[in-house]
Amino acid sequence: GQSLEQPSEVTAVEGAIVQINCTYQTSGFYGLSWYQQHDGGAPTFLSYNALDGLEETGRFSSFLSRSDSYGYLLLQELQMKDSASYFCAVRDLAPNAGKSTFGDGTTLTVKP
Amino acid sequence: NAGVMQNPRHLVRRRGQEARLRCSPMKGHSHVYWYRQLPEEGLKFMVYLQKENIIDESGMPKERFSAEFPKEGPSILRIQQVVRGDSAAYFCASSLTTDPTGELFFGEGSRLTVL
Repeated sequence: GQSLEQPSEVTAVEGAIVQINCTYQTSGFYGLSWYQQHDGGAPTFLSYNALDGLEETGRFSSFLSRSDSYGYLLLQELQMKDSASYFCAVRDLAPNAGKSTFGDGTTLTVKP
Repeated sequence: NAGVMQNPRHLVRRRGQEARLRCSPMKGHSHVYWYRQLPEEGLKFMVYLQKENIIDESGMPKERFSAEFPKEGPSILRIQQVVRGDSAAYFCASSLTTDPTGELFFGEGSRLTVL
């Protein structure tokens, strides 16, 4: 089975940098993804790490270390609109390679 | 290109009634997933379907819940004899077979309230 742990809440100020950690226990997976959800709306895909290392997409970066069973999402130059819930997810191996298992999410509050 | 469409957005049922939630995936997507989310909680996997096939239903309760994705038409998540504990947001997602990231595209969800 798959299980992922994230902090439940993180608070930061506008313009700052924040890191949201995700530790996992899995029986194997293809990659680690991150999703953003505003106010219970549709979750949206942010990033994906198939290999160890850092992936950068604009103000957001994501990191994976398979040896440490750990990943994180880094948000730079925080804006008020970044206040949302952030979920890490692992994508299962075949034959269920389409299925992703999600963590319980981290609620990020950005303050002025 | 329309996104994942779910309806109804909100559904109220009394205990013992049936709830039917519909999901039309993005054009060209052949994989559909249903997730359930309780307030302040994460997305819990329920079922993974391809056209006319259930690939993985390990997250779906064995009783009262069923899902289908027919050759024509939307995917349906059906909950029979609803109970208060079924109140939740039900999200549908779809993905492309060939996308190596397995990116999921989510609908806006259907919020079921059981009175």
